[in-house]
Amino acid sequence: QSALTQPASVSGSPGQSITISCTGTSSDVGGYNYVSWYQQHPGKAPKLMIYDVSNRPSGVSNRFSGSKSGNTASLTISGLQAEDEADYYCSSYTSSSTLHVFGTGTKVTVL
Amino acid sequence: EVQLVQSGAEVKKPGESLKISCKASGYSFTSYWIGWVRQMPGKGLEWMGIIYPGDSDTRYSPSFQGQVTISADKSINTAYLQWSSLKASDTAMFYCARTNYQIDIWGQGTMVTVSS
Repeated sequence: QSALTQPASVSGSPGQSITISCTGTSSDVGGYNYVSWYQQHPGKAPKLMIYDVSNRPSGVSNRFSGSKSGNTASLTISGLQAEDEADYYCSSYTSSSTLHVFGTGTKVTVL
Repeated sequence: EVQLVQSGAEVKKPGESLKISCKASGYSFTSYWIGWVRQMPGKGLEWMGIIYPGDSDTRYSPSFQGQVTISADKSINTAYLQWSSLKASDTAMFYCARTNYQIDIWGQGTMVTVSS
């Protein structure tokens, strides 16, 4: 099971919007609406930001939104803030026996 | 409150054995899969394998098959990750995570350092 493909880094200025892509296959991202996104600050555990492609858990800012088209999912952060600087990982349910696969991770830098 | 609480940091020598734990609370332990995730220093998240405590169905990612053992004790709501002979390359942070279709709860992580 290969990792989902994400850009290594994305950057933006405060207030701007950025989008992170997550590309998989029809056996994972394209085959299920179970794509999730996680934010990880240095030295911290990952935090769920988006589930079921586009749903936000309670307490997550509405500046974070998710979508999917075919085998590619996307996370958009609007109104970029300094606190958004972190690593972001996508994950998808998969038809493989271990049920999950992670993305390669994207470092978001706020300029 | 739903939470996963992991055992503390470990410092071991190559060749030693180790078992780290992940105690669940606030939900039905036997109704969700528990997975283990490795994060090597400065690297990304790697899915190691999962266990369903309800029936002990256990599955490993190919890279970790034969390298670690995942188990669970449903009488005390605890999952485990163990090594029989550690290597320096096992140095990493390890997270447990609750999942069914998606990972929604994470443990705080256990740092394992293997050094002579």
